[in-house]
Amino acid sequence: GAGVSQSPSNKVTEKGKDVELRCDPISGHTALYWYRQSLGQGLEFLIYFQGNSAPDKSGLPSDRFSAERTGGSVSTLTIQRTQQEDSAVYLCASKRRESYEQYFGPGTRLTVT
Amino acid sequence: AQSVSQHNHHVILSEAASLELGCNYSYGGTVNLFWYVQYPGQHLQLLLKYFSGDPLVKGIKGFEAEFIKSKFSFNLRKPSVQWSDTAEYFCAVIGNFGNEKLTFGTGTRLTIIP
Repeated sequence: GAGVSQSPSNKVTEKGKDVELRCDPISGHTALYWYRQSLGQGLEFLIYFQGNSAPDKSGLPSDRFSAERTGGSVSTLTIQRTQQEDSAVYLCASKRRESYEQYFGPGTRLTVT
Repeated sequence: AQSVSQHNHHVILSEAASLELGCNYSYGGTVNLFWYVQYPGQHLQLLLKYFSGDPLVKGIKGFEAEFIKSKFSFNLRKPSVQWSDTAEYFCAVIGNFGNEKLTFGTGTRLTIIP
């Protein structure tokens, strides 16, 4: 079946602009995660959604970062007033509630100039 | 807080050599352990996982890993590597069963020389 999809695959933006990154999880997966992969920090957890519960935002690095998940499916990660240190690959993953196995999307490579 | 250490940052091997990549974790409770692989230009894929039971787990493409609780280790092994194993390998742990987030090591870049 279809895997996790993310769009865009690449995004170049100017410092100070807002960006939106999209994630389509695997159908039927109730849990959705955002991670960030950067040279200096490796792979870091950002935010977690599970069903209709309040999201776990404990990994968001600043209040410029936010995410929402509409209808328990598609998620959008928004970064406001982008900074150069936001340059990274943003990964989305999803899983079934009863499983620990997360399936990753191809990522969005964000470059802030 | 949980953490994962991968001490080998870049490993270079010839084809048919044996491989062992180290992974140590820091967490006092029950853990679930994973190895993920990222081939060049591809997304992260699960290589193998340990939840409970037999501490020697086998994954795809001939990889295996052994969970040694007393050493807090989960090293990845393969008896004979191939050029196609060139990739980045990440060890990860889930220890917080509240959000089940993965905590990753910094990764090991594996280069296989034909």
